[in-house]
Amino acid sequence: DAGITQSPRHKVTETGTPVTLRCHQTENHRYMYWYRQDPGHGLRLIHYSYGVKDTDKGEVSDGYSVSRSKTEDFLLTLESATSSQTSVYFCAISDPVGANVLTFGAGSRLTVL
Amino acid sequence: TQLLEQSPQFLSIQEGENLTVYCNSSSVFSSLQWYRQEPGEGPVLLVTVVTGGEVKKLKRLTFQFGDARKDSSLHITAAQPGDTGLYLCAGARNTNAGKSTFGDGTTLTVKP
Repeated sequence: DAGITQSPRHKVTETGTPVTLRCHQTENHRYMYWYRQDPGHGLRLIHYSYGVKDTDKGEVSDGYSVSRSKTEDFLLTLESATSSQTSVYFCAISDPVGANVLTFGAGSRLTVL
Repeated sequence: TQLLEQSPQFLSIQEGENLTVYCNSSSVFSSLQWYRQEPGEGPVLLVTVVTGGEVKKLKRLTFQFGDARKDSSLHITAAQPGDTGLYLCAGARNTNAGKSTFGDGTTLTVKP
């Protein structure tokens, strides 16, 4: 996956519990992103980061928070998971000079019961 | 949010047939990407087109960017079972790739 590792790859949790998904990159790319993928909705941007401690909201950010304390790590947190957050979550990276090319991780499948 | 409409949503064909997938929008994009995704994996970039009217070929795959940079097509010649997957188009309006708008995808099944 071109130096992108997501963990965990699969998680089942209960409504109301906190969940943190981790994205780790070895490419030293400046930009990192979290997407969710659901049937009929394609890929939707949750949050993104332009650099360490520099993050912003995407189109579906409600119920999610992120943190980036190091260039290589981007964490996505669901403070209190809901069933509507059952989805496959993808991390992606890009380089400012990369001509709009995104490189994706393998995904994290989250099921909220 | 700009919309990208992909069609068809599902396509099931026999090995050796040709097919075309369309990606349409009312918005102008600075570039458009096509990705292919296999089950259990993340999308992988196939091509980027940036110039109106541009045509790019990748083996049996031909990609075209509309003259007005609002639409694109992907044509596969003599499809093979290995072409099976989800094809996604994504349009970018600036240099921030992550803020691209994604289509909902076309699920292609090529039967042997």
